[in-house]
Amino acid sequence: SQKIEQNSEALNIQEGKTATLTCNYTNYSPAYLQWYRQDPGRGPVFLLLIRENEKEKRKERLKVTFDTTLKQSLFHITASQPADSATYLCALPQTGANNLFFGTGTRLTVIP
Amino acid sequence: DGGITQSPKYLFRKEGQNVTLSCEQNLNHDAMYWYRQDPGQGLRLIYYSQIVNDFQKGDIAEGYSVSREKKESFPLTVTSAQKNPTAFYLCATKKEGPYNEQFFGPGTRLTVL
Repeated sequence: SQKIEQNSEALNIQEGKTATLTCNYTNYSPAYLQWYRQDPGRGPVFLLLIRENEKEKRKERLKVTFDTTLKQSLFHITASQPADSATYLCALPQTGANNLFFGTGTRLTVIP
Repeated sequence: DGGITQSPKYLFRKEGQNVTLSCEQNLNHDAMYWYRQDPGQGLRLIYYSQIVNDFQKGDIAEGYSVSREKKESFPLTVTSAQKNPTAFYLCATKKEGPYNEQFFGPGTRLTVL
């Protein structure tokens, strides 16, 4: 069955550094992958989508890569700020259904 | 949170009581979803509806029921059959198109005492 793993439950980095979050998946070849941000006690917010034929996608300080050979996506936040502190979720389309399958998320804390 | 409202934000109920969580949207999206989120776990799909008057079970539908009588509304009932109902419940809609971008409401935190 499908499985998504996000590298760690929590990641702490210093302000100004680049945060790199990992999403690995198995038993699956998704046509695309999405990243969401979730603040405590709130619903997730869509950030970026990357298709299987795209190696990299950028949006302001965010960059996502998608390696279908490694079955992995990397999510980078450059010049990180304390306001970037949140939980970041990756999501893949569920096999045979018009739904998403979410990872457990990585809680990022940017230390001033 | 966009055009999706969930009420109330916090809900307390006694064990054995049914409770209905509200989800309303003004995004004119056809598809709506209910997820449950527990600490340390990802979002788990309870029910979804692709169109009015139609809905399907998700991965953890047992102990829950839904209705979809209007495009704007997709209420979720947590029944007494749900063994561990205390959780954070999220409603979402899906933007039309092939890539399943979802929009989430603010969530309802249900605590069963």
